[in-house]
Amino acid sequence: AQTVTQSQPEMSVQEAETVTLSCTYDTSESDYYLFWYKQPPSRQMILVIRQEAYKQQNATENRFSVNFQKAAKSFSLKISDSQLGDAAMYFCAYSVQGAQKLVFGQGTRLTINP
Amino acid sequence: DTGVSQDPRHKITKRGQNVTFRCDPISEHNRLYWYRQTLGQGPEFLTYFQNEAQLEKSRLLSDRFSAERPKGSFSTLEIQRTEQGDSAMYLCASSPFNSGGSGELFFGEGSRLTVL
Repeated sequence: AQTVTQSQPEMSVQEAETVTLSCTYDTSESDYYLFWYKQPPSRQMILVIRQEAYKQQNATENRFSVNFQKAAKSFSLKISDSQLGDAAMYFCAYSVQGAQKLVFGQGTRLTINP
Repeated sequence: DTGVSQDPRHKITKRGQNVTFRCDPISEHNRLYWYRQTLGQGPEFLTYFQNEAQLEKSRLLSDRFSAERPKGSFSTLEIQRTEQGDSAMYLCASSPFNSGGSGELFFGEGSRLTVL
């Protein structure tokens, strides 16, 4: 069974600084997707960034980038120039190519200190 | 706003009562998903529909749980004979057909259930 592990229940960072959230996963599949979703307090979860496993290049979306290490089954999220609006729960998630369900990690609560 | 909407947002019930949650997906999305999220945990997959067909159910979905999507539009999730362990946030999400396994789901704000 596929599993996703986020070993950091909570992280905090100073505004404008950079923070990295960790995620590891376990799978025997070769074709899959990895995601970071953001869940602000009392608001809906939204997709932050997505990585296809067959792509070697790390995905980037503005201030958000990932470090995808396929052999190590590691998928970390780097947030640069942290902003107050980045405060949220961040979930790492996985899906198999062609499958319809996401498997989520336990989440990391990110606090931004002004 | 044409996002995913869920109703009610909060429900408090007594153990043994039945509850029903409704989800209205984004109109052009034909896939609809239900997840359960307990405090401090990530969402867990419950079931998903493609149009009106329920194509996959998790073992978490006991016989007290039933989900429907009768006309391929809105969906309902009913929990019968609620137990305190059912207390959780129930999340609905939708996606278009061509998203495949690419995983961009559009979530609602959730329905929080508290069973006393």
